[in-house]
Amino acid sequence: EAEVAQSPRYKITEKSQAVAFWCDPISGHATLYWYRQILGQGPELLVQFQDESVVDDSQLPKDRFSAERLKGVDSTLKIQPAELGDSAMYLCATSGTSGNNEQFFGPGTRLTVL
Amino acid sequence: QKEVEQNSGPLSVPEGAIASLNCTYSDRVSQSFFWYRQYSGKSPELIMSIYSNGDKEDGRFTAQLNKASQYVSLLIRDSQPSDSATYLCAGKTNSGYALNFGKGTSLLVTP
Repeated sequence: EAEVAQSPRYKITEKSQAVAFWCDPISGHATLYWYRQILGQGPELLVQFQDESVVDDSQLPKDRFSAERLKGVDSTLKIQPAELGDSAMYLCATSGTSGNNEQFFGPGTRLTVL
Repeated sequence: QKEVEQNSGPLSVPEGAIASLNCTYSDRVSQSFFWYRQYSGKSPELIMSIYSNGDKEDGRFTAQLNKASQYVSLLIRDSQPSDSATYLCAGKTNSGYALNFGKGTSLLVTP
């Protein structure tokens, strides 16, 4: 069964350090999303890619966050430097081109910043 | 007003009962809606999508969309303890394909 892969599953870091998360979409899915979910809240979009192009990064804190999808397949989300408030679940989701926009999530990366 | 709103619960129902989960949305959200189930510590899992007015059934799940009232609901028949989870309602934004999520409703099915 096709799944979205993410790594690492868990990351503990100290504030001011750099962290990176990786996402491998379902094969053939052109649209990739990074969401952040704080405990007790719904996921919130950070950045959306269509193939290798950024479609929406209006909610991405660009002073410390960056995202790339160089070959239009897998993607990396980076935080540098990490802050205490960045502790959250980082979720990658992908969708195909069927037009119904059903998004499928990976297992997520649980980030704890100490 | 947030784009998608849900009562956070918890909603408690006995095993075998019907669980009814509700969601309202603003004008900034388009007409495609999705229900995700999220177990504690896990990622959201898509369980239902609905695009047109009316009901859509899939097994024990029925999604209902009322565009005039800007209201979406999810009914779970014959609720099981394994249905205990947080249910997230999401709608597609009018400006693109990203989803706006509600905060989620916590459902507890008691044996």
